[in-house]
Parts: sequence; structure tokens; C-alpha cells
Amino acid sequence: NAGVMQNPRHLVRRRGQEARLRCSPVKGHSHVYWYRQLPEEGLKFMVYLQKENIIDESGMPKERFSAEFPKEGPSILRIQQVVRGDSAAYFCASSPPGSQGGRPQHFGDGTRLSIL
Amino acid sequence: AQSVAQPEDQVNVAEGNPLTVKCTYSVSGNPYLFWYVQYPNRGLQFLLKYITGDNLVKGSYGFEAEFNKSQTSFHLKKPSALVSDSALYFCAVRDMGSGTYKYIFGTGTRLKVLA
Repeated sequence: NAGVMQNPRHLVRRRGQEARLRCSPVKGHSHVYWYRQLPEEGLKFMVYLQKENIIDESGMPKERFSAEFPKEGPSILRIQQVVRGDSAAYFCASSPPGSQGGRPQHFGDGTRLSIL
Repeated sequence: AQSVAQPEDQVNVAEGNPLTVKCTYSVSGNPYLFWYVQYPNRGLQFLLKYITGDNLVKGSYGFEAEFNKSQTSFHLKKPSALVSDSALYFCAVRDMGSGTYKYIFGTGTRLKVLA
């Protein structure tokens, strides 16, 4: 019974390159959330997706960042033209459908993005 | 706007003593409240939640939390701390009146249990 799987665990990119972070939710979960965590800081909400729909992207920078959760396959967080300030740990979490707020999120172990 | 505050960056407690990690919240509707723990280089693990019912909720690893509506608080407690409880603890709230149901996390409190 696999939990949330994120890959890669570590990703190194040079400034200007693209970073693609993948998240496979718990089987049967249709809600996915992405968070960013800087060292010694809390989690900052980025985006909340359901299958094929972006529900809330209020925490996502307007430029260079995008997210998707297709009908088939993992959720993808894409960062284009990365800059040093994008270096952080990015966490994905999932929760089951029909959850009226009471179900806890299941977290992956994160992708640590380093920009050279 | 909804928010969560964890006023202490770090809490130190001796092994065997009771511990409290504080959390206060602000929401427009009814709050759903959660506590998570994070160990180094890992994701967050769910500890407990308050949705409705008894104000004292019990969770994993002997932790419990008390919901106080008048003080808008949801403090995490454990009667007897273990060295292995040392970790980063996050309080989170889901604002059921916000319309989007996103989770808001506090900035975290580092718990250090001293042997």
C-alpha cells in the first residue's frame, strides 16, 4: 500500500533550465497539493488540484510555475527558467475524494531542488 | 483571512516531563485542525485532528491536543516526553468557510527533548 511517491528526491539544475517535479498520490486519492519549504521555515501552500482541474493556485508565482494533474499519470510541478531563489524542498500531499475537509493529507518525502 | 500561529520557534523539555507545543488560529468558518510531525529529510506525518466533538483529541505516539474555541487555540500535549519525540511540529487549519478548502500551516515548532 504505497504512500505518496515523489521523484526525483534530489534535483540539481543550472539557472535558466527547467525543473519538473513528479508526484504520484496514494492510490485512489484524487486531490493533490503542492507546498514549498525553505530551510528552517514552514510549508507554503502553492496549488491545490483535483483530477484535470486546478482548484486553487493562489500560492503559486504567476510566472515560470505551473502545475497539472492529468487524468492518467502523476501530478507535475514545472518550474521554467529556474533561479537561485527557487532552491527549496517541494512537498506533495494527497487526500481521498469526497473528503469534506476532515481527512488528513498524506505527504511524500519531498524533492529537494538545488539551483547552481 | 485565515491564519495559523505557532508562537514558539523551539521548545526544550527534559525527557519524562510533560510537553506543550502551542498553536492558535484565525478562520472565518468552522476550523478543521491538524497536527503533523516532520523528521529530518522526510515529509510530514499526521498525528491527530479535531473536526467536531470532544475538545480533547488523542492521536499517535501518545500525543493529544485540546481544542479551545474561546481562545482559538489547539495546543499539542504529551504527558511524558521521549528523546525520540524530538522533531519539527506543524499545526494546520482547514477553513471550511473559505470556499477552497486549502490547508494553512504554521511556521513550525522545533521540539528538543533532552536526555
